[in-house]
Amino acid sequence: AQSVTQLGSHVSVSEGALVLLRCNYSSSVPPYLFWYVQYPNQGLQLLLKYTSAATLVKGINGFEAEFKKSETSFHLTKPSAHMSDAAEYFCAVSPEGGGSNYKLTFGKGTLLTVNP
Amino acid sequence: NAGVTQTPKFQVLKTGQSMTLQCAQDMNHNSMYWYRQDPGMGLRLIYYSASEGTTDKGEVPNGYNVSRLNKREFSLRLESAAPSQTSVYFCASRVRGPNTEAFFGQGTRLTVV
Repeated sequence: AQSVTQLGSHVSVSEGALVLLRCNYSSSVPPYLFWYVQYPNQGLQLLLKYTSAATLVKGINGFEAEFKKSETSFHLTKPSAHMSDAAEYFCAVSPEGGGSNYKLTFGKGTLLTVNP
Repeated sequence: NAGVTQTPKFQVLKTGQSMTLQCAQDMNHNSMYWYRQDPGMGLRLIYYSASEGTTDKGEVPNGYNVSRLNKREFSLRLESAAPSQTSVYFCASRVRGPNTEAFFGQGTRLTVV
């Protein structure tokens, strides 16, 4: 089954510092990959998604992610953290095809803390 | 535009009681999902419905049943609630296809005592 692994359940950065949140997927066939963000007491919303059109994907709020097939990774970055970026971030995967391609599976999440 | 609406927002049940969590979307989406969120576990898929008339098990279906009542509504039922089902439950929907964005409800916080 397709899955994603998020390295680091908690990442803490200073305001203005680089944000790097890691996600690796397990599949021999590149799947569709997503990053979602969850602010406290809210549902999830999409940050960005990879759909094979380009390996570098830009999302909302200055975030971007790079798909690297050789490393089976889809890490999320932002050059300069802002206090409002404090939230939990989830990597998610949908299989490329087959009968289960409607599934959407999430990683365990990474809580981002931004220090002033 | 309401998006995905879940009811109730909060619920406390006693062990053994039953209840149904309701979810409705007004975006004409084909696929709908139920997840539970627990600390350190991320979102785990309980059941999903690829399209009206079909439902499939996810990672953690035991103790739950679902009904895709029509294209708009997808309900989750706990027949005999257990403390292990204390969690935050999220419903989501998306247009048919693996590369489409999922839209989430605000969640139902369920406590089983």
